[in-house]
Amino acid sequence: QLQLQESGPGLVKPSETLSLTCSVSDGSISSSYHLWGWIRQPPGKGLAWIGSIYYDGNTHYNPSLKSRLTMSIDTSKNQFSLKLTSVTAADTAVYYCARHGRWDLGTFDAFDIWGQGTVVTVSS
Amino acid sequence: DIQMAQSPSSLSASVGDRVTITCRASQSISQFLNWYQQKPGRAPQLLIYTASSLQGGVPSRFSGSGSGTDYTLTINSLQPEDFATYYCQQSYITPYTFGQGTRLEIK
Repeated sequence: QLQLQESGPGLVKPSETLSLTCSVSDGSISSSYHLWGWIRQPPGKGLAWIGSIYYDGNTHYNPSLKSRLTMSIDTSKNQFSLKLTSVTAADTAVYYCARHGRWDLGTFDAFDIWGQGTVVTVSS
Repeated sequence: DIQMAQSPSSLSASVGDRVTITCRASQSISQFLNWYQQKPGRAPQLLIYTASSLQGGVPSRFSGSGSGTDYTLTINSLQPEDFATYYCQQSYITPYTFGQGTRLEIK
């Protein structure tokens, strides 16, 4: 069963860049059937989609974060990454990576496999 | 962005009860609607995709229905492990958006 694992600093200073990596195991990130996404959850709040990336590097970003967000993928390492610049306290959250399909790829449009999540706190 | 409104925000029920959670989209999402269960400190788990399809390994007491803008998640014969928070999510168009969640508590 494919597994995802987030990694990165748990504490980031305001105005700096948040960088996270999601490592995929027991499966290939180069699948043509799926995209790889990031979702976050502020403390005590609901879920918010950040963005998704395809194995060829094609990205889809949430417009609310687009100006600060960069996602990348490294198929040789079976990893994908997120960089969020100019962070504030509002970026404090649990960050999840997840796999999802899309109807035009022949898979269903839902986040079917999730990482366990990593807590990121923005504070000086 | 498509807004997703869940109701109720919280719900108290007993083991063995049948419960229904509703999700309404701000525009038609053509059954591109998913349901997730989240327990404290854990990642969400997919229950239902495309409105009514049961994800593999999910008990058959969970079911989903709906079309257009209105969708429901029904849990028959609640079990102790079902007490959690439930989220709907539209995958019709990006940005993908989630409902605010429904917290299901033991009565």
